[in-house]
Amino acid sequence: AQSVTQLDSHVSVSEGTPVLLRCNYSSSYSPSLFWYVQHPNKGLQLLLKYTSAATLVKGINGFEAEFKKSETSFHLTKPSAHMSDAAEYFCVVSEAGAGSYQLTFGKGTKLSVIP
Amino acid sequence: NAGVTQTPKFRVLKTGQSMTLLCAQDMNHEYMYWYRQDPGMGLRLIHYSVGEGTTAKGEVPDGYNVSRLKKQNFLLGLESAAPSQTSVYFCASSYRDTEAFFGQGTRLTVV
Repeated sequence: AQSVTQLDSHVSVSEGTPVLLRCNYSSSYSPSLFWYVQHPNKGLQLLLKYTSAATLVKGINGFEAEFKKSETSFHLTKPSAHMSDAAEYFCVVSEAGAGSYQLTFGKGTKLSVIP
Repeated sequence: NAGVTQTPKFRVLKTGQSMTLLCAQDMNHEYMYWYRQDPGMGLRLIHYSVGEGTTAKGEVPDGYNVSRLKKQNFLLGLESAAPSQTSVYFCASSYRDTEAFFGQGTRLTVV
């Protein structure tokens, strides 16, 4: 069975400093991994995805994530936080090849950006 | 470019009432999903469908029913609403296990 653990429920950074949101996953098959962002009272928007191509994935708005199979991690980073990055972020796993097309969500990390 | 459209956007129900949430997608996706979002819980899968006429239970299916009579539509029903079903409901669609596209959500309050 697949599962996702987001290691921090809340992260607070100052504007202009790096962002690190941590995600560990468990999967029996070759996983597809995603990061979604949700701004207050909005739907979910895809930031980036890993689907077994390059392990370093670049997404929108300067975010990137690195797939590390040995560590079962898919941490999200950004070199310099902007006020507009304040939102909730979800790490998501889907097991490719398992015949199960459920997306399993982590519980989310709320990012606060301090001016 | 509508993508995934949910109706209604807001609803208040009394305990015991029934209602149906409609999800429509125009991307010809095979897979459709219903999730509920509660504070600190992330999104939890209620039911999903891998094609027209097929449905399957997710993590939290109790108290909900679904139907997928047409490929583009996925309906979520509450037969007898309970306060525990107060939540924000999201519909999503995808082409197999690629990224899912989400609707804007339905905020349901059961009093």
